[in-house]
Amino acid sequence: SQTIHQWPATLVQPVGSPLSLECTVEGTSNPNLYWYRQAAGRGLQLLFYSVGIGQISSEVPQNLSASRPQDRQFILSSKKLLLSDSGFYLCAWGKGDRETGELFFGEGSRLTVL
Amino acid sequence: SQKIEQNSEALNIQEGKTATLTCNYTNYSPAYLQWYRQDPGRGPVFLLLIRENEKEKRKERLKVTFDTTLKQSLFHITASQPADSATYLCALDRGTGFQKLVFGTGTRLLVSP
Repeated sequence: SQTIHQWPATLVQPVGSPLSLECTVEGTSNPNLYWYRQAAGRGLQLLFYSVGIGQISSEVPQNLSASRPQDRQFILSSKKLLLSDSGFYLCAWGKGDRETGELFFGEGSRLTVL
Repeated sequence: SQKIEQNSEALNIQEGKTATLTCNYTNYSPAYLQWYRQDPGRGPVFLLLIRENEKEKRKERLKVTFDTTLKQSLFHITASQPADSATYLCALDRGTGFQKLVFGTGTRLLVSP
């Protein structure tokens, strides 16, 4: 069966510090991978998606970047965090099949920037 | 502009009753619409998907309807239980030919014993 792991689960970082969130998927190959952010009282905002190794598409201009160094690994990074980067970050994978279309989410990483 | 709207107010119902949650959208032409459940501090979990050519879809106590003319989906939980208490998110496909979902803000459901 497929599983998705995301870490760290919680982190508190000062403004201006770097960030690295990691996500790995097991039990499937060539998944579509996504990073979403959920701010308090707001819906999930798609940040990045990837259809393959090294292929990253950004949805909104921001202080963050993403990389996919391996087929089932997705990393979200920042060189210098802003207060507005605080939120609940969710990694997800999908089969890319429009007939099914569901996404499978990780448990999330809660980031607080102080 | 494009919008997905769910009632931001919590829905409180008595155990055993039917909960009905609404999702409205504007300026989208989705190929399908999905519903997810999210518990506090957890990632969303997929519940149901309904395609644009389907009027209704059922799964156990869950029922989803999809009216592309009204641009609305209704999500029903029959014989609700306290364990159904959670936030329910609707999501739709942008119709861009790629699996990119746009999510509503969710409606919190509280089922009282």
